[in-house]
Amino acid sequence: RKEVEQDPGPFNVPEGATVAFNCTYSNSASQSFFWYRQDCRKEPKLLMSVYSSGNEDGRFTAQLNRASQYISLLIRDSKLSDSATYLCVVNEGSNYQLIWGAGTKLIIKP
Amino acid sequence: DAGVIQSPRHEVTEMGQEVTLRCKPISGHNSLFWYRQTMMRGLELLIYFNNNVPIDDSGMPEDRFSAKMPNASFSTLKIQPSEPRDSAVYFCASSSPGQGPREAFFGQGTRLTVV
Repeated sequence: RKEVEQDPGPFNVPEGATVAFNCTYSNSASQSFFWYRQDCRKEPKLLMSVYSSGNEDGRFTAQLNRASQYISLLIRDSKLSDSATYLCVVNEGSNYQLIWGAGTKLIIKP
Repeated sequence: DAGVIQSPRHEVTEMGQEVTLRCKPISGHNSLFWYRQTMMRGLELLIYFNNNVPIDDSGMPEDRFSAKMPNASFSTLKIQPSEPRDSAVYFCASSSPGQGPREAFFGQGTRLTVV
């Protein structure tokens, strides 16, 4: 079983719709969680950190469920520019190493 | 700040040749990471430096791969001899000092093709 798993997609979503995807992690001792965004043929960039109580940044909402060991990303009122691959990232403890999911590809259609 | 700078952006080389990838981290950042990304395996951490010292190189595939960080502003990843299965995008990333994992800032990557 992979340490961090994501549905690879692609998710094909009409512009303006709401889309959500999850990421599961295997290590219950994981401490920090992030969502990164990667555009085609570009480098990954931090989208948002995920806090225990959940957090929101504009149209983006991130949630953490420690009991079920998953994090989620919700995008409201999706834009064409949201088309990208979204990478789930987990830190497992004191060595500060980041464990990366394979990414979920999102395609927003006009 | 110009961000993390990697060179070259693209490299095409023949099997058996030596390849050297270069990285200049963001000034003031004390952690540096080398990653490899392929369609099949996603983003894999190869090696992690903290204050120029290699902390975790468990991701380095084999002895053909080596990495150095002679000072805080420069790192290299070398593959000798290169093989077609090394073809991938190699990213360098850096992060600033502090407790716990911090945001990793990535360079634009080096797209390596070994023929």
